Amino acid sequence: GAVVSQHPSRVICKSGTSVKIECRSLDFQATTMFWYRQFPKQSLMLMATSNEGSKATYEQGVEKDKFLINHASLTLSTLTVTSAHPEDSSFYICSAPETGFGNTFGSGTRLTVV
Amino acid sequence: LAKTTQPISMDSYEGQEVNITCSHNNIATNDYITWYQQFPSQGPRFIIQGYKTKVTNEVASLFIPADRKSSTLSLPRVSLSDTAVYYCLVGDAGGGGFKTIFGAGTRLFVKA
Repeated sequence: GAVVSQHPSRVICKSGTSVKIECRSLDFQATTMFWYRQFPKQSLMLMATSNEGSKATYEQGVEKDKFLINHASLTLSTLTVTSAHPEDSSFYICSAPETGFGNTFGSGTRLTVV
Repeated sequence: LAKTTQPISMDSYEGQEVNITCSHNNIATNDYITWYQQFPSQGPRFIIQGYKTKVTNEVASLFIPADRKSSTLSLPRVSLSDTAVYYCLVGDAGGGGFKTIFGAGTRLFVKA
């Protein structure tokens, strides 16, 4: 099956700084990428849908100016958490659709803001 | 997007067959049913997908009745490593995938 590579796997940053998370589709083209956030012991929450060459679509309640999404190529989508605060600490996961297999997920990024 | 309902948790023992049922009463004609497995601090992993009747692969079987308002994931002879959260999702797979809205999932705990 397809592989979505997500980096970094974990990052610790200071409050007020920005962090960029990358997701690459390694052997297929992903015109669409989904971004999720997951808090401990909870389910995944869809944050936004990124589309190659166009603006991302954000779910209700997700601040688009805080969570910047760029999908500049068919194999790369990035999520930048701007001016991060401790409440942004979470597990962030991306996924891309794959024909016949639902969505392929990245391995996730554990963000800790101190 | 059809809402799904699953048991919050299940316990089993090694070697047993585990069946997890998911309800999706308002599934649409174009919707597929997909199951994922997630271990702590990892992204979900695709297990199986189906539209109707029965689908089987090397790790699981998926049973879907004629009305498609529910589905059952069957894991044969579970081991300790099958302890994970299992998610049932319903959506229009269309040409590749679909906007996936996760429910609470089922926490399966396999005991020795």
